Amino acid sequence: AQSVSQHNHHVILSEAASLELGCNYSYGGTVNLFWYVQYPGQHLQLLLKYFSGDPLVKGIKGFEAEFIKSKFSFNLRKPSVQWSDTAEYFCAVIPSGGSYIPTFGRGTSLIVHP
Amino acid sequence: EAQVTQNPRYLITVTGKKLTVTCSQNMNHEYMSWYRQDPGLGLRQIYYSMNVEVTDKGDVPEGYKVSRKEKRNFPLILESPSPNQTSLYFCASSFSRQAGGGYTFGSGTRLTVV
Repeated sequence: AQSVSQHNHHVILSEAASLELGCNYSYGGTVNLFWYVQYPGQHLQLLLKYFSGDPLVKGIKGFEAEFIKSKFSFNLRKPSVQWSDTAEYFCAVIPSGGSYIPTFGRGTSLIVHP
Repeated sequence: EAQVTQNPRYLITVTGKKLTVTCSQNMNHEYMSWYRQDPGLGLRQIYYSMNVEVTDKGDVPEGYKVSRKEKRNFPLILESPSPNQTSLYFCASSFSRQAGGGYTFGSGTRLTVV
């Protein structure tokens, strides 16, 4: 079974700092990858996704993620964070074939100080 | 508006009193899932459904039941709730196995069992 590891459980940054959140997965085959964001008191929303093609994926609100197959990683980045980026971020993996069962990481809580 | 609707948003109940949390989507999605979200544990899948009358257990199915009699509805049933089921619950849906758009999540149901 696949698993997803988000190394940073809590990240605290000042506004304008750069952000990189790690996501590694374990699965031998082809995967589809997602990042979701959950703002305080809200439900999860899709931030970006990777299915195939260009491994550098751009999402909403200036976020991007890079799929590095050799490292089984899909790290989320943003060059300059804002206070409004304070949220919890979840990485998710779905194997391309077989049963459609997504696996979520445990999440990373990001706090951005103004 | 395309959405996943959960009801109720908040629920406080007593141990042993059967309850149902409803979930409905208006996007004709095939896949629907229930998750619970607990601090430090992230999202854990309870049950999922690939289509009408097709349901299967996720990672933490004990103490829960589901049904999928219609495509749009996927209720979560707690026959005899216990305090360890106090949690934040999310329903999610997706169009197909390939999940081109990722999951759409409901707004969540915060359940407290006393």
